[in-house]
Amino acid sequence: AQKVTQAQTEISVVEKEDVTLDCVYETRDTTYYLFWYKQPPSGELVFLIRRNSFDEQNEISGRYSWNFQKSTSSFNFTITASQVVDSAVYFCALSEAIIQGAQKLVFGQGTRLTINP
Amino acid sequence: DAGITQSPRHKVTETGTPVTLRCHQTENHRYMYWYRQDPGHGLRLIHYSYGVKDTDKGEVSDGYSVSRSKTEDFLLTLESATSSQTSVYFCATSDRGNTEAFFGQGTRLTVV
Repeated sequence: AQKVTQAQTEISVVEKEDVTLDCVYETRDTTYYLFWYKQPPSGELVFLIRRNSFDEQNEISGRYSWNFQKSTSSFNFTITASQVVDSAVYFCALSEAIIQGAQKLVFGQGTRLTINP
Repeated sequence: DAGITQSPRHKVTETGTPVTLRCHQTENHRYMYWYRQDPGHGLRLIHYSYGVKDTDKGEVSDGYSVSRSKTEDFLLTLESATSSQTSVYFCATSDRGNTEAFFGQGTRLTVV
C-alpha cells in the first residue's frame, strides 16, 4: 500500500532562517506523482508542486525548492529565508491510481511550520 | 484555481440526523473527490467520482454515500451522523487523472 511519512510534526524557526520539510514515501508503482500542498491558518489547501517519478530534477520557485530523490524515496521541501507568511501546515502527498483514470491522493500527516518574527 | 464551492462552510448537527454536503465546480473537471481531514491522519479519501453517475468508495466510506447527477455537483451524504464523523470535509476536483487536484475551502462539520 502507498504510504507517506512526514516525520516532523511541528517545526518552529525564526524569520529568515532556512527550513526543510521532510517527506518519505512508499509505493510499488513505477509511475507515480508527488505533491506538496500548503494549508494556511485560513484552512484552504493550496497546491504548490507536482513532480512525476521520472523527473528527478530539483525545482526552484522563488524561495521554495524541492529535492526529489528516488533512491531514498524522498521528496523534501525547503523554504529559504522564511517569512511569517510561510506559517502553515504543509502536506506531502503521493498519487495512487484507482479506476477510470482517477487518482487518489495519499497524504502524510502534515508538518505544522511556525515562523516567528 | 478551479472554481470549487463547498456548502455549507460550517454545520452543527445532532447524532442520528442525515446531513448533505455539497460541492459545486465551474471548471468542468471530470474527477471529483471527497476527503476528510482529522488530526493525526492528514486527509483521507471518502468517495470519488470519475464521471456523471460514476462513483466509487475510498478508504473511509462507511456511513457515507455520494451522488453526482451533473458534472458540476458532487454531494456527500452522512446517512445518520455520528460523533466520529465530526471532521473537516474537503472536496477536490481534477481534469485529468495525473494532474493536481484543486480543493474547495472545506466544510467544518460538528456532530453533537
